[in-house]
Amino acid sequence: ETGVTQSPTHLIKTRGQQVTLRCSSQSGHNTVSWYQQALGQGPQFIFQYYREEENGRGNFPPRFSGLQFPNYSSELNVNALELDDSALYLCASSLDRRDRLNTEAFFGQGTRLTVV
Amino acid sequence: GQNIDQPTEMTATEGAIVQINCTYQTSGFNGLFWYQQHAGEAPTFLSYNVLDGLEEKGRFSSFLSRSKGYSYLLLKELQMKDSASYLCAVSFDRGSTLGRLYFGRGTQLTVWP
Repeated sequence: ETGVTQSPTHLIKTRGQQVTLRCSSQSGHNTVSWYQQALGQGPQFIFQYYREEENGRGNFPPRFSGLQFPNYSSELNVNALELDDSALYLCASSLDRRDRLNTEAFFGQGTRLTVV
Repeated sequence: GQNIDQPTEMTATEGAIVQINCTYQTSGFNGLFWYQQHAGEAPTFLSYNVLDGLEEKGRFSSFLSRSKGYSYLLLKELQMKDSASYLCAVSFDRGSTLGRLYFGRGTQLTVWP
């Protein structure tokens, strides 16, 4: 139990639709990162939010966007869904103290998105 | 990305010891994590190395050599429940994107009775 929850756990969408995935971070964690994990692969970094602002982005197109809210929740939005977007989407929360080395990231259980 | 390389699959028997290796590019290295992931579940934290040497945590140990860009995860007294994917993840950033992790593809470990 990591204290990070994601919803929904499973989702089926049609190509071209839009989807919003949600994450509730551990209380007090100021940083949330989103990852996409295709079957048989390691997670790939999508982007990170620190104190409600985007703080870095991986190699994903602009139709992947996000928000982080003051109540330690966050969203991942994907527009114009493509078949290749089918994957497990993971959020990870951490406390970034800025003056120390990296600390542990706690992962949610993920949202399994299937695009048909 | 970042050339994180680990074996795809490994098998071992219950009670045995297994070592899972991970190599990465050394430039900008800032820390290495090992995660365990059971099928359909979230990755769970196992260990963190930033300095050279061995970190021991019960049945699991992790080793790091910064100069060689090499780490291994050592699992002792294997149990059936240790069957899972083991992910090597490296942090390269300290400034722009703190906490961004680059993952290997994962090593699927199967423990046989």
